[in-house]
Amino acid sequence: NAGVTQTPKFQVLKTGQSMTLQCAQDMNHEYMSWYRQDPGMGLRLIHYSVGAGITDQGEVPNGYNVSRSTTEDFPLRLLSAAPSQTSVYFCASSSDRGSYGYTFGSGTRLTVV
Amino acid sequence: GNSVTQMEGPVTLSEEAFLTINCTYTATGYPSLFWYVQYPGEGLQLLLKATKADDKGSNKGFEATYRKETTSFHLEKGSVQVSDSAVYFCAPSSNSGGSNYKLTFGKGTLLTVNP
Repeated sequence: NAGVTQTPKFQVLKTGQSMTLQCAQDMNHEYMSWYRQDPGMGLRLIHYSVGAGITDQGEVPNGYNVSRSTTEDFPLRLLSAAPSQTSVYFCASSSDRGSYGYTFGSGTRLTVV
Repeated sequence: GNSVTQMEGPVTLSEEAFLTINCTYTATGYPSLFWYVQYPGEGLQLLLKATKADDKGSNKGFEATYRKETTSFHLEKGSVQVSDSAVYFCAPSSNSGGSNYKLTFGKGTLLTVNP
């Protein structure tokens, strides 16, 4: 029972580099989201998807891209990393229109230097 | 959009003390309400939920009642344990077209329970 799997767990990037944070779920959930967690800010929604081929922006989408080619995978791409993107990133998935809440991955801690 | 005002921490209690963490929200429509818990170094876990007015969510001794008239969803536990030490997040969903897939999180309340 893998649930939501995020890789890598830790990453250090230099300013201007690009990378992809991976997220995969094996529960056949239609809804998937990316959040970032910063001290004193709670979690803020970056992008979300309501199904394969459908994505939309959340509260803080700038500097990030997503795609959803399959139900299982929802990668988050940082186009040109900036120190302001230093954060902990969580991927989450849900079924049944979100009524049962989200299952979260264990997070990726990203540092941009 | 939705907004959440959550009791600021940190909250420090002795074992077996009573816990209340206040949460009020603003939302359009009829959101579902959730409490999530984050243990140190881990992701968030769903603690409990309520989907309509006057519903009471409960789990692991924690309870919260959906109060539509006061737009509140306060978290309570009668006797906390050291293992309850964690960060707690209140999160209403956005009800759109019958779906509740967008959550708005409070800033979190750090609870520390001492033996």
